[in-house]
Amino acid sequence: NAGVTQTPKFQVLKTGQSMTLQCAQDMNHNSMYWYRQDPGMGLRLIYYSASEGTTDKGEVPNGYNVSRLNKREFSLRLESAAPSQTSVYFCASSYRAHEQYFGPGTRLTVT
Amino acid sequence: AQSVTQLDSQVPVFEEAPVELRCNYSSSVSVYLFWYVQYPNQGLQLLLKYLSGSTLVKGINGFEAEFNKSQTSFHLRKPSVHISDTAEYFCAVRSGYALNFGKGTSLLVTP
Repeated sequence: NAGVTQTPKFQVLKTGQSMTLQCAQDMNHNSMYWYRQDPGMGLRLIYYSASEGTTDKGEVPNGYNVSRLNKREFSLRLESAAPSQTSVYFCASSYRAHEQYFGPGTRLTVT
Repeated sequence: AQSVTQLDSQVPVFEEAPVELRCNYSSSVSVYLFWYVQYPNQGLQLLLKYLSGSTLVKGINGFEAEFNKSQTSFHLRKPSVHISDTAEYFCAVRSGYALNFGKGTSLLVTP
């Protein structure tokens, strides 16, 4: 039982490049989330998916898109990366929002 | 939307001393509150949660928190800390389908 997995662990992009962060969970959870963590800012919600087939914007959605591919997988795409998107990205899942399980994170640097 | 405020960004403490990490939430009719811990270079792990019932909630690693409705607080406590408790601690509140996190408190335990 792997829990929540994220790939890649580290990534360096140049400004304007695109990439997709992958997230998968094996706990049969309905809801999945993408957060970014910046120093002194805590975790801020980018997008979430309350159930398969639905996605909604969080606090900081600009510059990102998401896809809930199936119940297990929830990807985050940066179409044209900017230095302001340098951050650590966490995926999480939950049966309800009562307890979220987090992945190990992806550390992204945009130069 | 529900929100939380963590009153201290850093808390230094000596090993075996007691510690309290403070969290206040925005007032609401009903509220679900959480404390998460993040060890260096890892994802977040749930310490404890308050959904309803007893106002004193016990969590993992000897931590506990008290829900105080009149003071809109949910402070985290441990009677005797260990070096291994050094980490970032986040208070969070359920808001719709997602969680809103505080900015975090860095607990530094020294010998």
